[in-house]
Amino acid sequence: NAGVTQTPKFRVLKTGQSMTLLCAQDMNHEYMYWYRQDPGMGLRLIHYSVGEGTTAKGEVPDGYNVSRLKKQNFLLGLESAAPSQTSVYFCASSYFRDRSSGELFFGEGSRLTVL
Amino acid sequence: GENVEQHPSTLSVQEGDSAVIKCTYSDSASNYFPWYKQELGKRPQLIIDIRSNVGEKKDQRIAVTLNKTAKHFSLHITETQPEDSAVYFCAAHRRGDWGKLQFGAGTQVVVTP
Repeated sequence: NAGVTQTPKFRVLKTGQSMTLLCAQDMNHEYMYWYRQDPGMGLRLIHYSVGEGTTAKGEVPDGYNVSRLKKQNFLLGLESAAPSQTSVYFCASSYFRDRSSGELFFGEGSRLTVL
Repeated sequence: GENVEQHPSTLSVQEGDSAVIKCTYSDSASNYFPWYKQELGKRPQLIIDIRSNVGEKKDQRIAVTLNKTAKHFSLHITETQPEDSAVYFCAAHRRGDWGKLQFGAGTQVVVTP
């Protein structure tokens, strides 16, 4: 199993450009997430999905959109990139056996720079 | 919503000594507390977790303690080794808040030989 894979790994954008980050998981997990990681700020949740066709906002959703058309894929879109969106983006997935726990399996991360 | 504070932000220890990282949370409904380790340039990975019905959990050289009354939990690493150098994140999950973990800001641990 590949686990959670993200593409691309690195990308440089100019302000105002758009792009999509793709996350794929082969563990049949119901839950998928997009986090951003910035120095000194930990991991902040952008959007998440509890199943195919459903998405929800996290802590820092502004400027991002997501889609979960297939259970194994979770896409993160930036419609008009801004320098403040320069960050490392992590996708994660999890399978909840009950409502009180669940290990997150992270992808390798995507480093995005917006000039 | 939940707010998780993590201290210290950096921790330097001599190899063989113990390291302790503390986190506090604000929401008494939180019931699941994992710890993730992130080595330089790598993805975060779960190293240990604890549920609110347990006060302490150990796994070899690492242990986590939970004080529900004071709403804080701690990670203890004994006999530290150079491979323990990493950023450690605590997190809290609020019961009923489907799948959302609130992470602390992280602790950079440096183990010096």
